[in-house]
Amino acid sequence: DAGVTQSPTHLIKTRGQQVTLRCSPKSGHDTVSWYQQALGQGPQFIFQYYEEEERQRGNFPDRFSGHQFPNYSSELNVNALLLGDSALYLCASSLAGLETQYFGPGTRLLVL
Amino acid sequence: QQQVKQSPQSLIVQKGGISIINCAYENTAFDYFPWYQQFPGKGPALLIAIRPDVSEKKEGRFTISFNKSAKQFSLHIMDSQPGDSATYFCAALRRGNDYKLSFGAGTTVTVRA
Repeated sequence: DAGVTQSPTHLIKTRGQQVTLRCSPKSGHDTVSWYQQALGQGPQFIFQYYEEEERQRGNFPDRFSGHQFPNYSSELNVNALLLGDSALYLCASSLAGLETQYFGPGTRLLVL
Repeated sequence: QQQVKQSPQSLIVQKGGISIINCAYENTAFDYFPWYQQFPGKGPALLIAIRPDVSEKKEGRFTISFNKSAKQFSLHIMDSQPGDSATYFCAALRRGNDYKLSFGAGTTVTVRA
């Protein structure tokens, strides 16, 4: 049973560019949450997708957007990258109505 | 503002010793409290979780103690092993309405052989 997968594993971008990160949830899960983890800190909630809709959003600017596909996979898009966007981006999957979230390995984004 | 406060930032324990990590929260609506373990370069892995209707939960060498009146909960790692060396995060979530996990800042545990 495959767990949560994310791609790519690492990414280097320059300021002002745009990036797309991808996530496939654990088999049987229908809900995907995205978190940003800066170095040495705990993950911060970005948003959550369920039934292809954004259900909940954290304190992140509109530069951060997402999408969920009919097969429950999800994308995180970040526009106009800033140096401060450098972080580990984590995807977590869960089953609607249940609290347990399982995390993927993350995508390490470096903005130069 | 950080909704879950975690301490200490780091700790060193001898092999076979007990590691204790503490967390405190303000939002009384939180009703699910998981602990995650994270190794360098990896995503957080769910270790153990508790709901506020119980005061303690044990799974193997890991125990959560929960004090609802004090709004505090802690993780005890018994018989610590070098393989337990990792960063541990406490978190909190409000079921039903609010599905986002609020994390503490993390505790780096080093187990010396």
